[in-house]
Amino acid sequence: GAVVSQHPSRVICKSGTSVKIECRSLDFQATTMFWYRQFPKQSLMLMATSNEGSKATYEQGVEKDKFLINHASLTLSTLTVTSAHPEDSSFYICSARVRQRETQYFGPGTRLLVL
Amino acid sequence: GENVGLHLPTLSVQEGDNSIINCAYSNSASDYFIWYKQESGKGPQFIIDIRSNMDKRQGQRVTVLLNKTVKHLSLQIAATQPGDSAVYFCAEDTGNQFYFGTGTSLTVIP
Repeated sequence: GAVVSQHPSRVICKSGTSVKIECRSLDFQATTMFWYRQFPKQSLMLMATSNEGSKATYEQGVEKDKFLINHASLTLSTLTVTSAHPEDSSFYICSARVRQRETQYFGPGTRLLVL
Repeated sequence: GENVGLHLPTLSVQEGDNSIINCAYSNSASDYFIWYKQESGKGPQFIIDIRSNMDKRQGQRVTVLLNKTVKHLSLQIAATQPGDSAVYFCAEDTGNQFYFGTGTSLTVIP
């Protein structure tokens, strides 16, 4: 099946620093990648949708200057949490899809802890 | 998202029994539906999908039923095993929008 990787799997950083998370589709070309955030015992919250070569579309309430998304190629998208604060601590998950009405394949997630 | 802040409903079943997890979807324009399984600390894993031109689809030990009349989706797991313990999410896709359900936490009792 389709494989999506994320790196790093876990990161601890100091408040005020920036953290970059990578999402890669390993065996397929992803026209669209998605970034989600998940709090304990809750569903996934879509943060933004990115299409290769285009600017990301952010969901309401998600600050685009805070969460920078770059989708430079059909196999790589990055999420940068800028000036991270403790409230940004969460589980961040990416997914990738070839086309509309096709399955989104998810990465293993990145656990971010901001001290 | 629409499901922000909602806590997960739970389902406990005895090992070997069949499990049924239900999902109500909201958008009548949705024509593609997916079930995912999420284990603790991991990303969601694809289980099975179904398109709106079907009302039933079977996989290995899993069956998805779709009732478009009442906008209801269910996942049936046959002979539930301890390894099936996880959170299960339904998702609906309109082509333009993709929605995740609140999820159901399944616990299998040995």
